[in-house]
Amino acid sequence: TQLLEQSPQFLSIQEGENLTVYCNSSSVFSSLQWYRQEPGEGPVLLVTVVTGGEVKKLKRLTFQFGDARKDSSLHITAAQTGDTGLYLCASGGGADGLTFGKGTHLIIQP
Amino acid sequence: GAVVSQHPSRVICKSGTSVKIECRSLDFQATTMFWYRQFPKQSLMLMATSNEGSKATYEQGVEKDKFLINHASLTLSTLTVTSAHPEDSSFYICSAKETGFSYNEQFFGPGTRLTVL
Repeated sequence: TQLLEQSPQFLSIQEGENLTVYCNSSSVFSSLQWYRQEPGEGPVLLVTVVTGGEVKKLKRLTFQFGDARKDSSLHITAAQTGDTGLYLCASGGGADGLTFGKGTHLIIQP
Repeated sequence: GAVVSQHPSRVICKSGTSVKIECRSLDFQATTMFWYRQFPKQSLMLMATSNEGSKATYEQGVEKDKFLINHASLTLSTLTVTSAHPEDSSFYICSAKETGFSYNEQFFGPGTRLTVL
């Protein structure tokens, strides 16, 4: 099972600031997914990255996949209170279940 | 499209009783469903893979006799927590993969909060 390290584990910033969270592994990802989960709900898929060096944008969120496909980052520009949540990276899928990182608990303060 | 429901959303039970949680794919067929468990302030951990018409595959450390999984149709998988104890209190989340769809995306249900007194 591939181990995913996420950092930081907790992050609390003011509204309007920028932030980056990271997901790393010692082995190559075939693909990587980013999810956002709110308390008491299931995770919601934000993006899937597959190709090394890939960059995907989702409004104020920018996702990067490392060239060697061992790391990924999620950058949020001008954070809003609605961005508060648990951000999870995950690998695997297909016939197998997903392996999740421990997540980044993000709090955006007004 | 691709909606997954879970029932119940919350359940409180006494220690020693059994609890059944349903996971349904509402608008697609799912040969494969997955069950995850999430403790407070922690991430999701895969418990088992549920395959329609066959036995579930359990992850290491998950007791198959305690967590009974049945996937009797292409739209329904059930997880029964038998003889529940307080340490089984957790957030149980299922996901479903659409049959015949090559893309790896799994669609998650809203979760079931189990509290064992």
